[in-house]
Amino acid sequence: DAKTTQPPSMDCAEGRAANLPCNHSTISGNEYVYWYRQIHSQGPQYIIHGLKNNETNEMASLIITEDRKSSTLILPHATLRDTAVYYCIVRVVNYGGSQGNLIFGKGTKLSVKP
Amino acid sequence: ETGVTQSPTHLIKTRGQQVTLRCSSQSGHNTVSWYQQALGQGPQFIFQYYREEENGRGNFPPRFSGLQFPNYSSELNVNALELDDSALYLCASSLLVGGRYSGNTIYFGEGSWLTVV
Repeated sequence: DAKTTQPPSMDCAEGRAANLPCNHSTISGNEYVYWYRQIHSQGPQYIIHGLKNNETNEMASLIITEDRKSSTLILPHATLRDTAVYYCIVRVVNYGGSQGNLIFGKGTKLSVKP
Repeated sequence: ETGVTQSPTHLIKTRGQQVTLRCSSQSGHNTVSWYQQALGQGPQFIFQYYREEENGRGNFPPRFSGLQFPNYSSELNVNALELDDSALYLCASSLLVGGRYSGNTIYFGEGSWLTVV
């Protein structure tokens, strides 16, 4: 079972920041937080990941709380093309085999509106 | 573009038949995983191949099998197809160093849509 909880859907106005929350209260010390998104009928697209520090790349920012029990993915200026299902996943690292793979939940369906 | 390519993109099979799906991993990656995504659901892990051997498996029956080749490409084979096998099949590649992930990213292909009638 997925170890994360996300709201099933969110709306965001085009040009505004989209803030997608994720709860992972049972996260272990050796688990990273990963975010992927999936645009309809396409393969999941990697966005960003982090362990305990905030991370930023060209797509998004990831804010992880100090206790690591929750995180927020921020798309700073959402566009219509950001409409997708966003998955928050915790993943064991430094481990081979099936425990290193991704366990997807249902994700958050983000709708960016004009 | 992730560099992970899958074929075919779409196919239709009849119940009871067998199907083979193919995947080429991203350059420099040595590990391939396969996922099944039913309509409206998140992807579910089928299995992973590393060094040409199965290296982890999800809750899928033995009629789901795979291969990995020396160039790290992979095949997913499904025997005795059932209607519930209709889904998007995703291939993902990553890099294991010394058998460990060390936080490396998993990249997905665009998938193969399988319809079983």
